[in-house]
Amino acid sequence: GQNIDQPTEMTATEGAIVQINCTYQTSGFNGLFWYQQHAGEAPTFLSYNVLDGLEEKGRFSSFLSRSKGYSYLLLKELQMKDSASYLCAVLDSNYQLIWGAGTKLIIKP
Amino acid sequence: DGGITQSPKYLFRKEGQNVTLSCEQNLNHDAMYWYRQDPGQGLRLIYYSQIVNDFQKGDIAEGYSVSREKKESFPLTVTSAQKNPTAFYLCASSIGEPGELFFGEGSRLTVL
Repeated sequence: GQNIDQPTEMTATEGAIVQINCTYQTSGFNGLFWYQQHAGEAPTFLSYNVLDGLEEKGRFSSFLSRSKGYSYLLLKELQMKDSASYLCAVLDSNYQLIWGAGTKLIIKP
Repeated sequence: DGGITQSPKYLFRKEGQNVTLSCEQNLNHDAMYWYRQDPGQGLRLIYYSQIVNDFQKGDIAEGYSVSREKKESFPLTVTSAQKNPTAFYLCASSIGEPGELFFGEGSRLTVL
């Protein structure tokens, strides 16, 4: 079966750096996506990786290793507004999105 | 401003009743999707449509129905056949293949 694993919850301190990991086992791979979802709201797109390596976008970076079935989202200079769930999703060989359950990130002052 | 509008935001339903959730987009996107989100689980695809007058079942289509008569609109009906309909429902659209999705604000359905 297809599976995406993320930690359920993480806690970090304002101003610090946090890394959220995502491992996947899917039938084929056509890209990996990260979304941010604040409580009770809709997800919003953060990043897309299809080739190995690091993609940087401001305070957020996303890394992909296709051979390891692994990605991480790196958040720098954490702010209170970064408290949210972070969803990892993989586009499989049928171009269907497979979603992880999300990682709830709690930022403490 | 372009975006996706879902309504209602909150909805209560009695058992045995059908309910329709509205989803309208003005992004001129061809593809539209309905997802269900439950605590501790990833988003699950209910139905999707890549073009007007055509739609396909997702992973959990049983107890749901949709229509796509206009490019802008993709309403979802939760029928009485859906055994556990209480959930957060999300509508989304994309330009082409799924991936970078634009989501509506969601509709939270509670069955009393």
